[in-house]
Amino acid sequence: GIQVEQSPPDLILQEGANSTLRCNFSDSVNNLQWFHQNPWGQLINLFYIPSGTKQNGRLSATTVATERYSLLYISSSQTTDSGVYFCAVDAGNNRKLIWGLGTSLAVNP
Amino acid sequence: DSGVTQTPKHLITATGQRVTLRCSPRSGDLSVYWYQQSLDQGLQFLIQYYNGEERAKGNILERFSAQQFPDLHSELNLSSLELGDSALYFCASSQTGDLRIIVYFGAGSRVSVV
Repeated sequence: GIQVEQSPPDLILQEGANSTLRCNFSDSVNNLQWFHQNPWGQLINLFYIPSGTKQNGRLSATTVATERYSLLYISSSQTTDSGVYFCAVDAGNNRKLIWGLGTSLAVNP
Repeated sequence: DSGVTQTPKHLITATGQRVTLRCSPRSGDLSVYWYQQSLDQGLQFLIQYYNGEERAKGNILERFSAQQFPDLHSELNLSSLELGDSALYFCASSQTGDLRIIVYFGAGSRVSVV
């Protein structure tokens, strides 16, 4: 099955810094989503981005499907950005998401 | 607020017991997904229902079962609980069974088996 690898596993930033999170996947995908799990455990959709680039405020994401990776950019990070960022891709039938292990981000004031 | 409601938020139970987790999807969503998040295995897809019928099955143990009712709420039953079943259980919903539609997650139900 599809393997999803995220890097780095852990990241510590000072407030205001920028960061790039990476998601590599082992096979072609029809669907790729980025999620943020906040310190209270809730999962929130950030982007649905099987290809191309999208931006939402300080966050943007780019997926290069032909090279099997996606990047999540966080600019001017804030303490509220802390949490775990997950990348998830489908298993080929758009019915089952396969998840990476996440990048744990801590933003210090 | 995602619109997906899960209850209970947290429960503590003993080994060998059975518990039921409940999920109400967003208004208008027909599909419900269950995920398990444990410390050692990350997020694992368990099962998906669409309009009352099982649509896809993942790494769901035989001791676990789920169903989706006519009003579209879903329940995940965990039986003969073991210490290793302690985890955060998420329910998610989407308008259709196609994951190309954005999936919305509930806040999760934390199950602690002691």
